[in-house]
Amino acid sequence: NAGVTQTPKFRVLKTGQSMTLLCAQDMNHEYMYWYRQDPGMGLRLIHYSVGEGTTAKGEVPDGYNVSRLKKQNFLLGLESAAPSQTSVYFCASKNQGSRAYEQYFGPGTRLTVT
Amino acid sequence: AQSVTQLDSHVSVSEGTPVLLRCNYSSSYSPSLFWYVQHPNKGLQLLLKYTSAATLVKGINGFEAEFKKSETSFHLTKPSAHMSDAAEYFCVVSLPGFQKLVFGTGTRLLVSP
Repeated sequence: NAGVTQTPKFRVLKTGQSMTLLCAQDMNHEYMYWYRQDPGMGLRLIHYSVGEGTTAKGEVPDGYNVSRLKKQNFLLGLESAAPSQTSVYFCASKNQGSRAYEQYFGPGTRLTVT
Repeated sequence: AQSVTQLDSHVSVSEGTPVLLRCNYSSSYSPSLFWYVQHPNKGLQLLLKYTSAATLVKGINGFEAEFKKSETSFHLTKPSAHMSDAAEYFCVVSLPGFQKLVFGTGTRLLVSP
């Protein structure tokens, strides 16, 4: 049982390049989330999904796209990377239900855009 | 709107002394509140949660927090700090509907021998 895994762990991009971050969870969770963490700002929600085939915007969605084609995977895409997207990206998943409070986080992906 | 404010960006303590990390919240209704911990280069782990049951909440590793509605506070405490407690701590409030989380800016806890 690996929990939440993220691929890759590190990446360096040039401005304008594209990439996809992969999040996978093996806990059969319905909900999945993508956050970015910047110094002094805590974590901010980019996009989230409440089930296979569904996605929704979070607090800072501009410049990102997501897809949830399979329940266990949640992909975050950057079509044209910008230096402002340099950050640490965390994926999380959560069970469905009003009493399922805990979000389980992956180890993060450190992205640098030059 | 739901939000949390962590009053200290850094807290330094000596090993064996008490820990107090302060958090105030703003909410238009009864909130669900959490403390998460992040060790260096790691993901986040849930320490404890308040969900409108007991106001004094006990978490892992000896941490606890008290929900005080009159003060809109949810401070995190531990009687005796350990070196392994050195980490960043986030106070978090949950938004209704799919329980999206709003994070505070974090408090870095430094523990000296």
